[in-house]
Amino acid sequence: NAGVTQTPKFQVLKTGQSMTLQCAQDMNHNSMYWYRQDPGMGLRLIYYSASEGTTDKGEVPNGYNVSRLNKREFSLRLESAAPSQTSVYFCASSKGYTVEGVTQYFGPGTRLTVL
Amino acid sequence: RKEVEQDPGPFNVPEGATVAFNCTYSNSASQSFFWYRQDCRKEPKLLMSVYSSGNEDGRFTAQLNRASQYISLLIRDSKLSDSATYLCVVNIASGGSYIPTFGRGTSLIVHP
Repeated sequence: NAGVTQTPKFQVLKTGQSMTLQCAQDMNHNSMYWYRQDPGMGLRLIYYSASEGTTDKGEVPNGYNVSRLNKREFSLRLESAAPSQTSVYFCASSKGYTVEGVTQYFGPGTRLTVL
Repeated sequence: RKEVEQDPGPFNVPEGATVAFNCTYSNSASQSFFWYRQDCRKEPKLLMSVYSSGNEDGRFTAQLNRASQYISLLIRDSKLSDSATYLCVVNIASGGSYIPTFGRGTSLIVHP
C-alpha cells in the first residue's frame, strides 16, 4: 500500500496563477484533511472531508477550495495564488467516526512557493 | 489564546537524559489526544495515543490529565535519533466526526 500520496512534491507559482494539489489514499479511509505548515506556526487545518460527499472549512480556508472527488481522492485548489500562500501543504486521512479511528496518516507534503 | 499550546523549545539534552514535554488544551470537550513526531521537512507520524490511564511504549510514556487539561510526553534514555519536533494533537467531536487541532510543536535536540 502506498498510504497517502500527494502531487506535486514541489511547485513555484506566480501571483495570480491557479493550481490544484492532488491527494489520494489507498487505505479505504472515510476522512481526509488538508493542512498548511508555516515556520513557527504548526499545522493549521484548511479544509476537511469527514466522509465522501462532505467538506467543511477548517481554521484557515480563505483563498482555497476543495473537492472530494471520491472516497480515495481529495484535491485542494488555489484559484489566485498569493505570496501569503507560500507554505508546505500536507494531506492526511483517517478512518473517522470513532475515537479509535481518528489517527491520521500524512502524505509527504507539497512545497509551494508563490512569487 | 491558542486552543492547543506547547513550549516550542528547543529542549537541548545529552544522550541518556530524561526529558518531558507538556501540552495544554483549552476546550474541555476534547475527546482524544495524540503525540506525533515530525522530522525536519518530513510529514508528521504518529508516535502514540494518550489515554487517561497513561500509556507506555518502550522509552516513551504519555499521560492525560483531564482535570488540568494537559497531556504530557516523557522520553527516557534519550537517543540521538529522538531529535525531532513533537506535536500534540487534540480532537474535538463535532457533527459525527472529529476535528483535529495541532499544537505548534516542541523541538528536541539530543546531543552526544
